[in-house]
Amino acid sequence: QSALTQPASVSGSPGQSITISCTGSSSDVGGYSSVSWYQQYPGKAPKLMIYDVSQRPSGVSNRFSGSKSGNTASLTISGLQAEDEADYYCSSYTSRSTGVFGGGTRLTVL
Amino acid sequence: EVQLLESGGGLVQPGGSLRLSCAASGFTFSSYAMNWVRQVPGKGLEWVSAISGSGATPYFADSVKGRFSISRDNSKNTFYLQMNSLRAEDTALYYCAKARGWSLGEALNTFDIWGQGTLVTVSS
Repeated sequence: QSALTQPASVSGSPGQSITISCTGSSSDVGGYSSVSWYQQYPGKAPKLMIYDVSQRPSGVSNRFSGSKSGNTASLTISGLQAEDEADYYCSSYTSRSTGVFGGGTRLTVL
Repeated sequence: EVQLLESGGGLVQPGGSLRLSCAASGFTFSSYAMNWVRQVPGKGLEWVSAISGSGATPYFADSVKGRFSISRDNSKNTFYLQMNSLRAEDTALYYCAKARGWSLGEALNTFDIWGQGTLVTVSS
């Protein structure tokens, strides 16, 4: 199973909005509503930020939102803050009953 | 407090075996699927394996199928990853992770609790 495709890096200034894309196929992202997003700081375990395409776990800021169109899911962070600088990974359930992650995106807050 | 604690990592020669353990606390362990996710230092995440709450159904990534097995002991709130025929490309930090919900999609994709990881190094 090939990894989902994410941009290697994105950047934005404080207060701005950024969007990270995650492209798969009809066998994963496009075929199911089970897409998640994780935030990871260096040396730390990942943290669940979005699940089921657009749902936020309790305690996650409403500045984080998710969506999906066709085979591409997206994570949008609005009102960018310095603390948002981290790596972000998407993941999806697949038709082969496996999980698959994206390659990860490094977010830089300028 | 909900917590996962991995153990069992270390240095092993190519072709060797290692068993990782993940001890859980703070939730009804038997109700949730559990997963292993690995990460080569400085690289991305890779889903490795999962096991259903009852332990009856395992799932594996193609990269480890036939070499790794997964099991759990719900009486001990612990699950395991048995890694055989290890290769250099299995070198990574191995995280255990709890599934958030009960659908198959959530079981294999939505991880709300993670351990801190245990490092496996395969080298001669």
